[in-house]
Amino acid sequence: DVKVTQSSRYLVKRTGEKVFLECVQDMDHENMFWYRQDPGLGLRLIYFSYDVKMKEKGDIPEGYSVSREKKERFSLILESASTNQTSMYLCASSQGSGPYGYTFGSGTRLTVV
Amino acid sequence: QQPVQSPQAVILREGEDAVINCSSSKALYSVHWYRQKHGEAPVFLMILLKGGEQKGHDKISASFNEKKQQSSLYLTASQLSYSGTYFCGTEYSNAGNMLTFGGGTRLMVKP
Repeated sequence: DVKVTQSSRYLVKRTGEKVFLECVQDMDHENMFWYRQDPGLGLRLIYFSYDVKMKEKGDIPEGYSVSREKKERFSLILESASTNQTSMYLCASSQGSGPYGYTFGSGTRLTVV
Repeated sequence: QQPVQSPQAVILREGEDAVINCSSSKALYSVHWYRQKHGEAPVFLMILLKGGEQKGHDKISASFNEKKQQSSLYLTASQLSYSGTYFCGTEYSNAGNMLTFGGGTRLMVKP
């Protein structure tokens, strides 16, 4: 089974801190994605990556950046955390171009105080 | 633009049927369906490609109406384990497997 592992289940950070959310997948998937999930809004795409060192902005990239130095790891960075970034963050991976289902990680619930 | 899901919530008794709809204002290449149980990751159920095919997974099936840019998820003879939030994810082109998700439909199945 493909596994997508997010390093932290819960995080509490202070406003203005730089925050790193880590995601690792173990099945050599080419695509990796970061979504945030908020009640009533579903999942909204922040950034995605098709390959190492490749990244594309999603629908809500403001205030975020990403890093993909190795194929299996995709990091989401909050440059200066703000309270409106309090959310559930979900990482996902998929096989490649083509209609493949996503495998999601269990999520990181981030609270910015 | 996010696809629109309806209804937003539904409560069923065990054994009853339900339909969840997902509508897009843009032409679709594919539609994915996921189920998320409380506190867990969304789990992939099925993909439908344009062409109007219907797919099934146990007593859960789905259809894709290309003309209406709409997909429907059918839950037949619902079981307690079907409870959760269902999301559709839409793909607008065959480029990169990038999904835009709807707001979700909360389904509760009661004994």
